[in-house]
Amino acid sequence: NAGVTQTPKFQVLKTGQSMTLQCAQDMNHNSMYWYRQDPGMGLRLIYYSASEGTTDKGEVPNGYNVSRLNKREFSLRLESAAPSQTSVYFCASSPRISGANVLTFGAGSRLTVL
Amino acid sequence: GENVEQHPSTLSVQEGDSAVIKCTYSDSASNYFPWYKQELGKRPQLIIDIRSNVGEKKDQRIAVTLNKTAKHFSLHITETQPEDSAVYFCAASIRDAGGTSYGKLTFGQGTILTVHP
Repeated sequence: NAGVTQTPKFQVLKTGQSMTLQCAQDMNHNSMYWYRQDPGMGLRLIYYSASEGTTDKGEVPNGYNVSRLNKREFSLRLESAAPSQTSVYFCASSPRISGANVLTFGAGSRLTVL
Repeated sequence: GENVEQHPSTLSVQEGDSAVIKCTYSDSASNYFPWYKQELGKRPQLIIDIRSNVGEKKDQRIAVTLNKTAKHFSLHITETQPEDSAVYFCAASIRDAGGTSYGKLTFGQGTILTVHP
């Protein structure tokens, strides 16, 4: 039982390059999220998917796009990377969209944009 | 939108002492308040949570208190141990107009707790 799996773990990009972060969960969760973590700023929500077939913007969506490919998979795409997107990205999932939503996080993806 | 402020940003204690981390939130409709612990280089993991209809919850050495009137909640760790050293995040969940929470969590800035042996 892997939980939430993210790939890649590390990536270095040049400004203007594009890339996709992949996330998959095997817990049959309905909701999935992408957060970024920067020093002193906590975890900020980029996009989320309350259920398969829906996606919505979070606090900091600019420069990102997402795809909820199916119930298991939720990808995050950077179309034209900028140094301000250097961060650690965490994918998370939760079982339901109401009540106490306990998030299970992936191991994180460290992205550096030069 | 929801704003969550967390204090202090760093906390250093001696083993065996107590540690308290405080958070305030801005949206009176928030109804769920979890705490996550993140060890160095690891993923955040839930350690305790509280819902808005409860004032206090305890799990062994950790406890969380909620004051809805003042819109603040706190994490209390007693008899601290070196393995408690980590970054701790509070969070608040927003309830939408329909009365259900979409699980969107707004996180505080984090507290780096160091427990010295």
